[in-house]
Amino acid sequence: GQNIDQPTEMTATEGAIVQINCTYQTSGFNGLFWYQQHAGEAPTFLSYNVLDGLEEKGRFSSFLSRSKGYSYLLLKELQMKDSASYLCAVRDLTNTGKLIFGQGTTLQVKP
Amino acid sequence: GAGVSQTPSNKVTEKGKYVELRCDPISGHTALYWYRQSLGQGPEFLIYFQGTGAADDSGLPNDRFFAVRPEGSVSTLKIQRTERGDSAVYLCASSKQGWSEAFFGQGTRLTVV
Repeated sequence: GQNIDQPTEMTATEGAIVQINCTYQTSGFNGLFWYQQHAGEAPTFLSYNVLDGLEEKGRFSSFLSRSKGYSYLLLKELQMKDSASYLCAVRDLTNTGKLIFGQGTTLQVKP
Repeated sequence: GAGVSQTPSNKVTEKGKYVELRCDPISGHTALYWYRQSLGQGPEFLIYFQGTGAADDSGLPNDRFFAVRPEGSVSTLKIQRTERGDSAVYLCASSKQGWSEAFFGQGTRLTVV
């Protein structure tokens, strides 16, 4: 079966660092994606991991451990505009490239 | 176009009616996906097109749902005999190939009353 877990909500302070965790149990694995989604808007791509380790992209970093079925998204120097939902998604092993999404983590950044 | 375009942005329909939702993918993207997102949930896969053919329709909930992509570009998601439980945001995404990053449209918010 497919199961992707992330916390429902998180709160952090402007300027701080926050880590959003994602654990997955899927029948196949071919990469993990993080998307950001502001309320009423389209999800936008943040990061992609297919091998173990850390991928850094500006203020955002994403980590993957395939043996543990675990990933996290790290956001540094938080800004108010980072308040959004963060979606963890696993790409399955078929050649379709379809993504299986978690429920999303709503992050609220406070001044 | 510059991005994935979906029309209409909002659709209110009565229970039992038929609706069509349109997706115009990024030019040159051969892979197209439809997802459905309910409030507070992540997107749920419905169907995947590679070119004109539906390569994976395993996510369609029942036979009231159907999608086409006749010329390998624009796609239409069709829902017959709508039910209140069909109310959700329907998202379309496209990518150059199935392996590459998918770009999402703004979605169509469907409300069945």
